[in-house]
Amino acid sequence: AQRVTQPEKLLSVFKGAPVELKCNYSYSGSPELFWYVQYSRQRLQLLLRHISRESIKGFTADLNKGETSFHLKKPFAQEEDSAMYYCALSFSDKLIFGTGTRLQVFP
Amino acid sequence: DVKVTQSSRYLVKRTGEKVFLECVQDMDHENMFWYRQDPGLGLRLIYFSYDVKMKEKGDIPEGYSVSREKKERFSLILESASTNQTSMYLCASSLSYVEAFFGQGTRLTVV
Repeated sequence: AQRVTQPEKLLSVFKGAPVELKCNYSYSGSPELFWYVQYSRQRLQLLLRHISRESIKGFTADLNKGETSFHLKKPFAQEEDSAMYYCALSFSDKLIFGTGTRLQVFP
Repeated sequence: DVKVTQSSRYLVKRTGEKVFLECVQDMDHENMFWYRQDPGLGLRLIYFSYDVKMKEKGDIPEGYSVSREKKERFSLILESASTNQTSMYLCASSLSYVEAFFGQGTRLTVV
């Protein structure tokens, strides 16, 4: 069955430290993967998608088909990165999400 | 600028009531989704629709139904509300395999 796994519920780092939010997926076809972010009191919004291969707000994510992973990385965390991050998989018009990781960046 | 609108931010309903949550999008998207968002459980797909009058069950459809009579509107119906349906409900719309846009959410409390 298709599934998205985010093993960490909470990740706490200090400002300036590197960040890696883990995401693993289960899908037999060619995956379409996304990272969505929800800042406090705001709507869920797209952060980045693997096919565009862009860097948004300093975040990048590389699809590793061998390890079925799509980890989100940022070399230097900022306080404004504190938010809830969701990894998502799109297939057959469906869009499913992982359980999310709350990132806390301390000053 | 608002693209996906949910009819209510907060709702309080009694156990056993029939509840309607409405969602409207103005982007002419084929796909629309209803999720519930619970702490520690993430977003769980209840139902989605890929065209007018077309719907498919998601991962947790029990106790819910949906209606899509027009392309821009997707309604979630709780046939007989129960306390375990107290949650945040999110609506979204998208074109296939591209960005999904979310509504602001409806926090439903069933008492």
